Amino acid sequence: DSGVTQTPKHLITATGQRVTLRCSPRSGDLSVYWYQQSLDQGLQFLIQYYNGEERAKGNILERFSAQQFPDLHSELNLSSLELGDSALYFCASSVAGQGNQPQHFGDGTRLSIL
Amino acid sequence: SQQGEEDPQALSIQEGENATMNCSYKTSINNLQWYRQNSGRGLVHLILIRSNEREKHSGRLRVTLDTSKKSSSLLITASRAADTASYFCATDSPSGTYKYIFGTGTRLKVLA
Repeated sequence: DSGVTQTPKHLITATGQRVTLRCSPRSGDLSVYWYQQSLDQGLQFLIQYYNGEERAKGNILERFSAQQFPDLHSELNLSSLELGDSALYFCASSVAGQGNQPQHFGDGTRLSIL
Repeated sequence: SQQGEEDPQALSIQEGENATMNCSYKTSINNLQWYRQNSGRGLVHLILIRSNEREKHSGRLRVTLDTSKKSSSLLITASRAADTASYFCATDSPSGTYKYIFGTGTRLKVLA
């Protein structure tokens, strides 16, 4: 058990809809990362937060947004969903978000767009 | 584009054999990490090697790093069926962006 909790585990919705994915980091970790994993794109870094502030941005679409709250949990909001957004979305956390620290991954949210 | 590219994409071996996976990256790094992902699960951190290190061991795992060739290898000795998983390398960047870039992964299948 990594200590990172992601909810929901599965999400099925339709094109054009909006969803929110939630992540609770491992106790003591201040940094949260979001990744998208699809069959043809591998693991894509979306965004990183550290102690409530955005630290790094990757290939995150404008339709997607995220935030980290004062209690350190994070939410990833996906809107105007398209079929291509179907993927596994992972949250990971690390102590201070530095490159010499391991990331601890949750088991992901599987998003299916119909 | 991907920073790390693992090779081979897939590998099938018999239990007890050694498995070697390679990772190549494009820009200079501070650290390189290897992760394992069992089917449908989150990634699990295996080992981290710093840019000033050449080799690191952890149990049956041996990682090497050649910064001149921008490549790393992960060796799993005496493989077990439970080692069946996908293996990813991840690199950070010295540019201070704190981003991690994951490779495309090697799918390892260990046959009992």
